[in-house]
Amino acid sequence: QLQLQESGPGLVKPSETLSLTCTVSGGSISSSSYYWGWIRQPPGKGLEWIGSIYYSGSTYYNPSLKSRVTISVDTSKNQFSLKLSSVTAADTAVYYCARHLGFDCSSTSCYWNWFDPWGQGTLVTVSS
Amino acid sequence: QSALTQPASVSGSPGQSITISCTGTSSDVGSYNLVSWYQQHPGKAPKLMIYEVSKRPSGVSNRFSGSKSGNTASLTISGLQAEDEADYYCCSYAGSSTYVVFGGGTKLTVL
Repeated sequence: QLQLQESGPGLVKPSETLSLTCTVSGGSISSSSYYWGWIRQPPGKGLEWIGSIYYSGSTYYNPSLKSRVTISVDTSKNQFSLKLSSVTAADTAVYYCARHLGFDCSSTSCYWNWFDPWGQGTLVTVSS
Repeated sequence: QSALTQPASVSGSPGQSITISCTGTSSDVGSYNLVSWYQQHPGKAPKLMIYEVSKRPSGVSNRFSGSKSGNTASLTISGLQAEDEADYYCCSYAGSSTYVVFGGGTKLTVL
């Protein structure tokens, strides 16, 4: 059974970089057709897709966050990671990782389908 | 403001049916059959309930069904049960510039 688990600091100072890692177990991160995504949810609010990565390293980002986001993958550890720079209080959220189905992908775009399964999520608070 | 519009709340009594709407545009819901729905209980991660508008993943009750008409997708839950009380989110592919958009979520209350 595929499982994902987020890890990283729960508190980040304003203007610094948020860093999280998602560890995949019960399956290989190198599975074809599957991408690996990050989604966040501010307290009491809705979901926002941050970006997704293929095991080869191809990345796709939400245009609204693209200038601050870097997603990377480490296939040897079956992990992928998120870095979000120049954070503010508006970046306070529960951050989820999830497997993301994409198809007909080019270097610049994919057709995106569902997210499943999801990690349990980790709360990151931006505060001094 | 979310890209897809959902009602903030819906309610129903046990055994009844409810429908949650998800309204987008011709650039997302209206153009692609790549709408998915997620159930989220308080403090828990979202769970995939419907994908590609109307398909159910293995293990999801057949009381959950999805459909689409024009720019609006819908999730219907029949035979409401207390355990269905949760937040529900729709999600759609939105083209090669925007990629993925979510709705603002709907809180389902089982009376």
